[in-house]
Amino acid sequence: DGGITQSPKYLFRKEGQNVTLSCEQNLNHDAMYWYRQDPGQGLRLIYYSQIVNDFQKGDIAEGYSVSREKKESFPLTVTSAQKNPTAFYLCASSILPGTGELFFGEGSRLTVL
Amino acid sequence: GENVEQHPSTLSVQEGDSAVIKCTYSDSASNYFPWYKQELGKRPQLIIDIRSNVGEKKDQRIAVTLNKTAKHFSLHITETQPEDSAVYFCAVEVGQFYFGTGTSLTVIP
Repeated sequence: DGGITQSPKYLFRKEGQNVTLSCEQNLNHDAMYWYRQDPGQGLRLIYYSQIVNDFQKGDIAEGYSVSREKKESFPLTVTSAQKNPTAFYLCASSILPGTGELFFGEGSRLTVL
Repeated sequence: GENVEQHPSTLSVQEGDSAVIKCTYSDSASNYFPWYKQELGKRPQLIIDIRSNVGEKKDQRIAVTLNKTAKHFSLHITETQPEDSAVYFCAVEVGQFYFGTGTSLTVIP
């Protein structure tokens, strides 16, 4: 069953802690993306990767980091430098960078206590 | 970067009526315009898309129209049903995807 798997679905973090959100896809897609979703603000791009070992900052990259060591995996680390990390995070992939349909994971809801 | 505006932010319609959501964009190089539906607590899913060489596309009760000159595109849902209630996002692709802020559609039975 092909798709994108995000984990964990819910995550609680204390202030000052880094957390890593997992994103795995078995669709053989080259491009992967991380979006942040806040109420009333749509989806904002954090980072994206068009190929293994390469990634670019999106519009709101400050306080986040990513890696793309494997085609299937694109984990997102929310660092303590992110001032307002409580949000819903969505990972997505597409066959080619910036073209065609985006396939989304189920999302991860991060709450900072 | 691209600026995508989506209106209205909320929309309530009676079951069986039509719903229209409009998006405008700024970058004339944009050439792919998808619409996503997100039900509460679920992932966004593509419902229809259109490319810049086409003016209109229809899929059963859903249609999208594109006016490249005016830089706007619209989602049309006819004969609305309660299961159409969701948040709808437009998006524009120009190098990366830029999303509108979403429209919360409520279909009243």
